[in-house]
Amino acid sequence: NAGVTQTPKFQVLKTGQSMTLQCAQDMNHEYMSWYRQDPGMGLRLIHYSVGAGITDQGEVPNGYNVSRSTTEDFPLRLLSAAPSQTSVYFCASRDLTLGYTFGSGTRLTVV
Amino acid sequence: AQSVTQPDIHITVSEGASLELRCNYSYGATPYLFWYVQSPGQGLQLLLKYFSGDTLVQGIKGFEAEFKRSQSSFNLRKPSVHWSDAAEYFCAVGARNAGNNRKLIWGLGTSLAVNP
Repeated sequence: NAGVTQTPKFQVLKTGQSMTLQCAQDMNHEYMSWYRQDPGMGLRLIHYSVGAGITDQGEVPNGYNVSRSTTEDFPLRLLSAAPSQTSVYFCASRDLTLGYTFGSGTRLTVV
Repeated sequence: AQSVTQPDIHITVSEGASLELRCNYSYGATPYLFWYVQSPGQGLQLLLKYFSGDTLVQGIKGFEAEFKRSQSSFNLRKPSVHWSDAAEYFCAVGARNAGNNRKLIWGLGTSLAVNP
């Protein structure tokens, strides 16, 4: 089925560890983005990409890196995990009419 | 400043009752408007969107929304709620003509509970 695939669904990290959240889409969308969702704060944009080789920062980029080597993949890297990064992370891709397709999310806990 | 306000944090309705979820926006340009739904533990799913034309738009699952420019509102409605409609609902606004860098501004969501 066409859509956005995120892995893993759940992850527990220790403070200071690093990891990569994977995101892949098969709709040939140029625009991809990463959000974090926290209670009472809605969706906040971390990083986004308007095409392969092009990335930019969103509202809350600190502590996260991204790269976009292909149209399909947009991984999010946590460099040194902190408890403040405990959240649910969503990857989304977007078509030209601003229609977003979201992945099912990654629930990350940093202890 | 650009913003989206969903005044109701939490709403409870009885199954079969009508529903209206409010969304107000502040935006400097003519907006694109969206409603998304998020079921527990799931990602967000597009319910409907308004770009231009008829200000009453129909979406999936029997939902509709009306764009009122004079009130800067885009309220979501459903005539008869089903228990499966219990979820979180998000309103979002985007710019029409900002190129490929255009991003959405999100409301904080309204949590809907449905009583049997």
